[in-house]
Amino acid sequence: GDSVTQMEGPVTLSEEAFLTINCTYTATGYPSLFWYVQYPGEGLQLLLKATKADDKGSNKGFEATYRKETTSFHLEKGSVQVSDSAVYFCALSPLWAGGTSYGKLTFGQGTILTVHP
Amino acid sequence: EAQVTQNPRYLITVTGKKLTVTCSQNMNHEYMSWYRQDPGLGLRQIYYSMNVEATDKGDVPEGYKVSRKEKRNFPLILESPSPNQTSLYFCASSPSAGGRETQYFGPGTRLLVL
Repeated sequence: GDSVTQMEGPVTLSEEAFLTINCTYTATGYPSLFWYVQYPGEGLQLLLKATKADDKGSNKGFEATYRKETTSFHLEKGSVQVSDSAVYFCALSPLWAGGTSYGKLTFGQGTILTVHP
Repeated sequence: EAQVTQNPRYLITVTGKKLTVTCSQNMNHEYMSWYRQDPGLGLRQIYYSMNVEATDKGDVPEGYKVSRKEKRNFPLILESPSPNQTSLYFCASSPSAGGRETQYFGPGTRLLVL
């Protein structure tokens, strides 16, 4: 079945440091890939997504590129801020119709990011 | 404001006492689902609904029931809760079940079963 593996956390950085959170996936076909972010005490919200190979998703200074050859979707940001402290989830959703997977998001285990001033 | 709402936000109960967590969305979305979040496991899908009166099991459906009588509402029912159902629960919705769709999440319900 489908699966998503994220780098183990937690990750602790100083403000303005470079961030990378690794994400690799296993899936049938070519799924859509997502990064969701969960701020303390809140639900998940979409950070960015990519729906086909070589697409780059970007939002709020974060970027991730859909790499089919390495089945990866690593999240990067050039300069993190204290307000970026949150839990980050990589997820995939299959594109094909039919079966019990249709529409389902498969999540990685989440990476806790803490940014210090 | 477009949103997914859940109630209650926090709930402490005892083993075997039936409970319902409500979920409602105001975006006219067809697809709704429930996830549970546990440390180290990420989120796992419990049940989903493609539209009114169309529900099906996700990855971890044991001990849960759902219904979809109206498009906007998708309650999660625990008929006989057990301690292993202590978790953080999220309801989500999207315009359809298409793989490119963004899912919108509620704020979460933290459940403790004693």
